[in-house]
Amino acid sequence: NAGVTQTPKFQVLKTGQSMTLQCAQDMNHEYMSWYRQDPGMGLRLIHYSVGAGITDQGEVPNGYNVSRSTTEDFPLRLLSAAPSQTSVYFCASSTGSGRETQYFGPGTRLLVL
Amino acid sequence: GNSVTQMEGPVTLSEEAFLTINCTYTATGYPSLFWYVQYPGEGLQLLLKATKADDKGSNKGFEATYRKETTSFHLEKGSVQVSDSAVYFCALSDLGGGGSNYKLTFGKGTLLTVNP
Repeated sequence: NAGVTQTPKFQVLKTGQSMTLQCAQDMNHEYMSWYRQDPGMGLRLIHYSVGAGITDQGEVPNGYNVSRSTTEDFPLRLLSAAPSQTSVYFCASSTGSGRETQYFGPGTRLLVL
Repeated sequence: GNSVTQMEGPVTLSEEAFLTINCTYTATGYPSLFWYVQYPGEGLQLLLKATKADDKGSNKGFEATYRKETTSFHLEKGSVQVSDSAVYFCALSDLGGGGSNYKLTFGKGTLLTVNP
């Protein structure tokens, strides 16, 4: 049981490049979410999903896209990276709607030059 | 909307000292309250939680009591260890604003350093 896995661990992008941050969980959790962590800001919700085929915006969705084609996977796409998207990104999953304990991945550190 | 305010860090203590990290919240409904811990280089993991007023969450010597009258969920430990050095996040989960899905709202985090 690997829990929540994220790839890559670290990535450097140039402004305007695109990339996908991968997230997968093997706990059959319905609820998955993406957060970004910035110094002094805590964690802020980007997008979340309550099940396959269902996604919704969080607090800071601009510049990011998500999709949920399977229960296991919840990729986060940056279509045109900007320096303001330099951050550490965490994926999380839980059994319920978000009121339950969240299980976090190890994070992806992204640097946009 | 929902919000969580926790004490500013960093907090530096000597081993075996008493720890308190204050956390207060604002919520529109009846939230569940959480403390998450992030060790260096790792993701967050649940430390403890409480789902209703007067509940006490506890784990690894840490405790926090859900106080609805003061809208607080302060984290305490009687005797900290060097291995407790980490960032601690207070969080709440609630529908928030009448939405149909629960969302987790985090405080900004408190860095704790425990010296031998």
